[in-house]
This record gives sequence, structure tokens and C-alpha cells, in this order.
Amino acid sequence: DAGVIQSPRHEVTEMGQEVTLRCKPISGHNSLFWYRQTMMRGLELLIYFNNNVPIDDSGMPEDRFSAKMPNASFSTLKIQPSEPRDSAVYFCASRVLHEQFFGPGTRLTVL
Amino acid sequence: ILNVEQSPQSLHVQEGDSTNFTCSFPSSNFYALHWYRWETAKSPEALFVMTLNGDEKKKGRISATLNTKEGYSYLYIKGSQPEDSATYLCASFGDSWGKLQFGAGTQVVVTP
Repeated sequence: DAGVIQSPRHEVTEMGQEVTLRCKPISGHNSLFWYRQTMMRGLELLIYFNNNVPIDDSGMPEDRFSAKMPNASFSTLKIQPSEPRDSAVYFCASRVLHEQFFGPGTRLTVL
Repeated sequence: ILNVEQSPQSLHVQEGDSTNFTCSFPSSNFYALHWYRWETAKSPEALFVMTLNGDEKKKGRISATLNTKEGYSYLYIKGSQPEDSATYLCASFGDSWGKLQFGAGTQVVVTP
């Protein structure tokens, strides 16, 4: 298995633009997590899905952030409009039972 | 203990020396404890998943123990090497369906 796949790996955009981050979980994993890593807050959970259903989105910072999981093999995290303070590394992780694996992350820079 | 806590926050180790550090977690409703190794500019890499009180796991020179009754886990690095330099994260599942609660990590720097 290729592991958790994220795209793009790097994204540079201008303030106000829409940004879409993509994640393909490991096949057979039934839970998917979106995290954000910043210098100030470390690793923080934004939202997670179980069997494609959003379970807890309490970590989503603002209404500008939204996440979907239309099927078991794909999820998106969208920021609209983006702001410079959204600059961070965004990780997707997938899990089955006890095992949780992280993707390589998307480094987002909002100018 | 209400949250997952790690100590120390950072430590410097001379190459060849052994070291250990601690993860404390809520002992009630314990389900599983994870250790991750996180190198700069990379993603967290799973090291161990531990579920049973008294569990000991080993991977090369790195090992971990678990005490679920008192809510702590130790991670040991034997004969530290520069490539062991990373942040070591622990995380606990509070329940079977929930999210992992991560500690802030212990940053290990191994100097030659």
C-alpha cells in the first residue's frame, strides 16, 4: 500500500483565494483525520470522519474551513477565502482499529 | 491527569548515551497509547501502539513500557545516535471511537 496520499505537497496562494487540499486514506481504513501543524499550537486536530461521516469538527477554526468525505477513498479540506494566518502544514491521517498513519502533509503558504 | 502530558519538553543527549522520557495520560477509560517519531519537515511515523498494562515494545534501540493503572508510559533510547534526533509524540485514545489526544512532544537532540 502507498500509505496516506496527500496533494498538493506544497501550495502557495494569495490571500482571498480558495484552497483545496486532498487526501486519499489507506484502503480499508474507516477513520480519517485532518490536522494542522503550526509553531504556536503544535499539532491540532481540525476534523475527523468515521465511515465517511463527520464525527467531530470542533477543531475547525472558522467557517472559512470546510471538509468533505464523499466516499471511503477521498477527502478534501477547503479554505475559502484563505488568509495569511492559515499558513501551516496540514496533515491527513487514516486509521483502522488502533493503527493511525499520517500522510506526508501539505505545506500551505498564503501570501 | 486530564490531558496527555510529556516530559521533558526537550533534551540533549551525547551520542552513545541512553535516555528516556515520560508520557502521562488519563488512566480512566484507557483504550490505547501511541508513540510517534516526528522528524523535522516530515510526517509523524508510528513507532508503537500499546494497549495492555505492563506492555513492553521494542524496535531496534527504542523501547517503550506502559502502566495503564497509573497512567504513564516511558520511551527509552539505548545508545543514542544522531539519527534518533526527532520529536517523540505520545497520544492516547480516550475511547474506542474517539480521536487521539496528543502530547506536546519531547524533542530529542543527539550530538556527536
